[in-house]
Amino acid sequence: SQKIEQNSEALNIQEGKTATLTCNYTNYSPAYLQWYRQDPGRGPVFLLLIRENEKEKRKERLKVTFDTTLKQSLFHITASQPADSATYLCALKGDYKLSFGAGTTVTVRA
Amino acid sequence: DADVTQTPRNRITKTGKRIMLECSQTKGHDRMYWYRQDPGLGLQLIYYSFDVKDINKGEISDGYSVSRQAQAKFSLSLESAIPNQTALYFCATQWGPDTEAFFGQGTRLTVV
Repeated sequence: SQKIEQNSEALNIQEGKTATLTCNYTNYSPAYLQWYRQDPGRGPVFLLLIRENEKEKRKERLKVTFDTTLKQSLFHITASQPADSATYLCALKGDYKLSFGAGTTVTVRA
Repeated sequence: DADVTQTPRNRITKTGKRIMLECSQTKGHDRMYWYRQDPGLGLQLIYYSFDVKDINKGEISDGYSVSRQAQAKFSLSLESAIPNQTALYFCATQWGPDTEAFFGQGTRLTVV
């Protein structure tokens, strides 16, 4: 069966440090992978999309890598700030529909 | 106004009652989704629709039904609500298969 797995444990980091989140998938052959941010009680908000032929993508302090051989994407938040505290979800298109991982909750301490 | 609007935002209903959650969008997208979110389980897909005449079951469709009344409207119904359907429900839209999804604000449903 198809699975999308993210770090199951919450991530607590000090302000200014880099947070690294992992998204692993099985039985998908995605042409792209997406990352979303979700704040408590609110809908997810799109952050980045990376295609299979792109090894790395950046947006401001965010960096995403995509390794189709390892079937893994890494999501980095550099120079983290308390405002980055949220749950981050990865998403893949499988069987024509968009499916999400369970998310990793990040808390940045001031 | 939000691009994707869900109503109601909060609802408490009794076991056995029929309830409808509504979603409307102004994005002009053909693809619409209903997800359920429980703590620690992430977003689980209930139903999805790629146009008005195309309705598909997701991972957890049992106990739910949907109606795509128009391109802009996609409703989710619980025919006979049960307590384990207590959850946060999200509607989402997407223009194409490799584009970003836009989510509504969510509906918090409690079945007592």
